[in-house]
Amino acid sequence: SQKIEQNSEALNIQEGKTATLTCNYTNYSPAYLQWYRQDPGRGPVFLLLIRENEKEKRKERLKVTFDTTLKQSLFHITASQPADSATYLCALGDTGNQFYFGTGTSLTVIP
Amino acid sequence: DAGVIQSPRHEVTEMGQEVTLRCKPISGHDYLFWYRQTMMRGLELLIYFNNNVPIDDSGMPEDRFSAKMPNASFSTLKIQPSEPRDSAVYFCASSIDRGGSGANVLTFGAGSRLTVL
Repeated sequence: SQKIEQNSEALNIQEGKTATLTCNYTNYSPAYLQWYRQDPGRGPVFLLLIRENEKEKRKERLKVTFDTTLKQSLFHITASQPADSATYLCALGDTGNQFYFGTGTSLTVIP
Repeated sequence: DAGVIQSPRHEVTEMGQEVTLRCKPISGHDYLFWYRQTMMRGLELLIYFNNNVPIDDSGMPEDRFSAKMPNASFSTLKIQPSEPRDSAVYFCASSIDRGGSGANVLTFGAGSRLTVL
């Protein structure tokens, strides 16, 4: 079965720096990859989607890359702010209808 | 739209009791998903429906779990009998089929936190 791994440890960075989160996968060839943000006590919220034939996607301070050779996606938050502190989840799917999630990476931006 | 609505938000029950979790998806969404989240295993897909029909229930852990979607605006996830290892946060999510324009984007509810003593 597919295996999806994200940064195993929490990530702490200084405000204003770029945060980089990693999503690696094995035994899978997804056509789509999504990133979600989850705050404590709430459900995940969609941020970005990237397709297998796209190398990079940007939205405001967010950037996602998708390397199907390395089986890896990188999620970048530039000019990070304390309000960016949350858990970030990657999700992979092949049909576009069914998605499998990683365990998430907890990000803390220190003022 | 009020978003995906789940109830109850919190449920504490004793082992062996029946638990029913409820979900109202966003109006017009034709996909509904049930996920379970734990620290150890993260978000696990349990089952999903398309137009009220169960499409894939391979994630349902065992026969104690069942899910129904009697109409487009309501779904239930039932655990009978419940066990302590079922303690988790259960999320419902819905989405709309974007057809050829790309993958579905999931809108999640706030979750139901279940504790089985």
